[in-house]
Amino acid sequence: AQSVTQPDIHITVSEGASLELRCNYSYGATPYLFWYVQSPGQGLQLLLKYFSGDTLVQGIKGFEAEFKRSQSSFNLRKPSVHWSDAAEYFCAVGDTGTYKYIFGTGTRLKVLA
Amino acid sequence: NAGVTQTPKFRVLKTGQSMTLLCAQDMNHEYMYWYRQDPGMGLRLIHYSVGEGTTAKGEVPDGYNVSRLKKQNFLLGLESAAPSQTSVYFCASSYEGRGVDQPQHFGDGTRLSIL
Repeated sequence: AQSVTQPDIHITVSEGASLELRCNYSYGATPYLFWYVQSPGQGLQLLLKYFSGDTLVQGIKGFEAEFKRSQSSFNLRKPSVHWSDAAEYFCAVGDTGTYKYIFGTGTRLKVLA
Repeated sequence: NAGVTQTPKFRVLKTGQSMTLLCAQDMNHEYMYWYRQDPGMGLRLIHYSVGEGTTAKGEVPDGYNVSRLKKQNFLLGLESAAPSQTSVYFCASSYEGRGVDQPQHFGDGTRLSIL
């Protein structure tokens, strides 16, 4: 069955440090991949998406993600974290066979001043 | 530019009561979804719809019903609320594109407590 794994439940980084959030997926075909961010009390907002082509995709707020088919990964990165990046981050894959989206359990990011 | 609007934003129910959560989108999206979000469990799909008049079950459909009588609205009903249904409920919609190649647009959630 298709699945998405975010191995890190919590991550803490200092402001200005680099960030990498991990996402691994299990999907038979070429995946449609997404990263979303959720601030407290809010809904999810799209950061970036991957369909095909260039495996390094740029998103909003300075985030980028790299699709690595050989590792079944789609890790999210940011070179320098800002305090406002503290939030929960979700990786998702679109299941073309069922019209559903499968979400990981999320990674909560804490940023230290 | 409302996007996806959920009403109500908060609600407290007693066990056994019924209620309906409303989701409205103004983007002419074909697909709509209801999720529940519980700590440590991410988003779990309750029901979804790929077009007006159609609905389908997600991974946790028990105790919920849905209707999509108009394209812009997707209603989630709890017939007899149970404490296990205490959760934050999110509605999402997406353009059909080539299926699930389009991102979802989310509402701000409904926080529901069942006493």
